[in-house]
Amino acid sequence: GAVVSQHPSRVICKSGTSVKIECRSLDFQATTMFWYRQFPKQSLMLMATSNEGSKATYEQGVEKDKFLINHASLTLSTLTVTSAHPEDSSFYICSARDRRLSNQPQHFGDGTRLSIL
Amino acid sequence: TQLLEQSPQFLSIQEGENLTVYCNSSSVFSSLQWYRQEPGEGPVLLVTVVTGGEVKKLKRLTFQFGDARKDSSLHITAAQTGDTGLYLCAGDRNQGGKLIFGQGTELSVKP
Repeated sequence: GAVVSQHPSRVICKSGTSVKIECRSLDFQATTMFWYRQFPKQSLMLMATSNEGSKATYEQGVEKDKFLINHASLTLSTLTVTSAHPEDSSFYICSARDRRLSNQPQHFGDGTRLSIL
Repeated sequence: TQLLEQSPQFLSIQEGENLTVYCNSSSVFSSLQWYRQEPGEGPVLLVTVVTGGEVKKLKRLTFQFGDARKDSSLHITAAQTGDTGLYLCAGDRNQGGKLIFGQGTELSVKP
């Protein structure tokens, strides 16, 4: 079945560091990928929609300059948390949908646990 | 304003009991998905319902989509400890693939 790979699975770094998270669709192409943030025992909160070859669409309240998204190819989107601070610590999850199958559900990566010290 | 209200948000039951999780909205969805998520992992798709009134069964899990495609339920029969996890409903409103998630239901099944 369709697989979405997310890397790294866990990051621990110092405050002020920028962290890049990758989301890859392994056996399908995705013109659109989605980035979510999740706090413990809570639901997923959509941060932005990543569009291949164009600018990402951010949800209300999400800082574009803080969370940089690049979707340079049909199989890769990256989320960079710039100058991360402890309040950015969270579980970040991406998802993607096969561009040929618009009526099919999204496939989720396994998430990245980001811890800022 | 929460577009998809999921309830209950927390549920702790004994093994063997039955339970139902609800997702309700005033909006119509083209489809609705149910996911299960374990700690430290991404959500795993359980089922997609598309047609109003549709009922789908997955072993001890029964999923229902409301006639008007505004609500859905997940019923688990004879819960097992392995059913423990976070259950999420998510609706698709044909907005470029964007999903609207419910608040999630944290289910704990005790032996």
